[in-house]
Amino acid sequence: KQEVTQIPAALSVPEGENLVLNCSFTDSAIYNLQWFRQDPGKGLTSLLLIQSSQREQTSGRLNASLDKSSGRSTLYIAASQPGDSATYLCAVIRYAGGTSYGKLTFGQGTILTVHP
Amino acid sequence: DTGVSQDPRHKITKRGQNVTFRCDPISEHNRLYWYRQTLGQGPEFLTYFQNEAQLEKSRLLSDRFSAERPKGSFSTLEIQRTEQGDSAMYLCASNSGTSVKSNEQYFGPGTRLTVT
Repeated sequence: KQEVTQIPAALSVPEGENLVLNCSFTDSAIYNLQWFRQDPGKGLTSLLLIQSSQREQTSGRLNASLDKSSGRSTLYIAASQPGDSATYLCAVIRYAGGTSYGKLTFGQGTILTVHP
Repeated sequence: DTGVSQDPRHKITKRGQNVTFRCDPISEHNRLYWYRQTLGQGPEFLTYFQNEAQLEKSRLLSDRFSAERPKGSFSTLEIQRTEQGDSAMYLCASNSGTSVKSNEQYFGPGTRLTVT
């Protein structure tokens, strides 16, 4: 059974700091990995999707890396801003032999607070 | 593209009552997923549809839960004889699943259920 763990559970940083969120998964047979942002009481917003054959993806101040063999992904946020405050979730899709219907297995999330 | 929509956004019900939630996916998406999220946890997979066919149900989906997608467009999730443990955010997501990139799932705002 796939298990996804995110460390740290919570993080508080001053504005402008660069930070790294960690995600680890137990089954390396994944199809892809997706990072989400969730604001309190809201749905999930997709940030980045990394295919299993890729090492990283970038979008603006966000960079996500994937090391499938070691079962790890990191989300790097550059020059953090108060508006980045949210819960960040990583999720993996298990490879299903040629295709994947896309059931996501989520970590518990990292609660990020960026204070001015 | 109006995104994934869910209705209602909030539902308060008394224990033992039945409730029904609706999800409208992005129009061209043939895959639809339901997840449940309790406070402080990541979402957990409940069930998955490809067009109108329900292809997988989680063991979390007890016999009090039923989901339908009658015409391969919108979906409903019904909970019968609600219990306090059913209190959670119910999230719907969709994608087209025709390529790795299209495996990216897009989530709705969720329906917050409170059972008193």
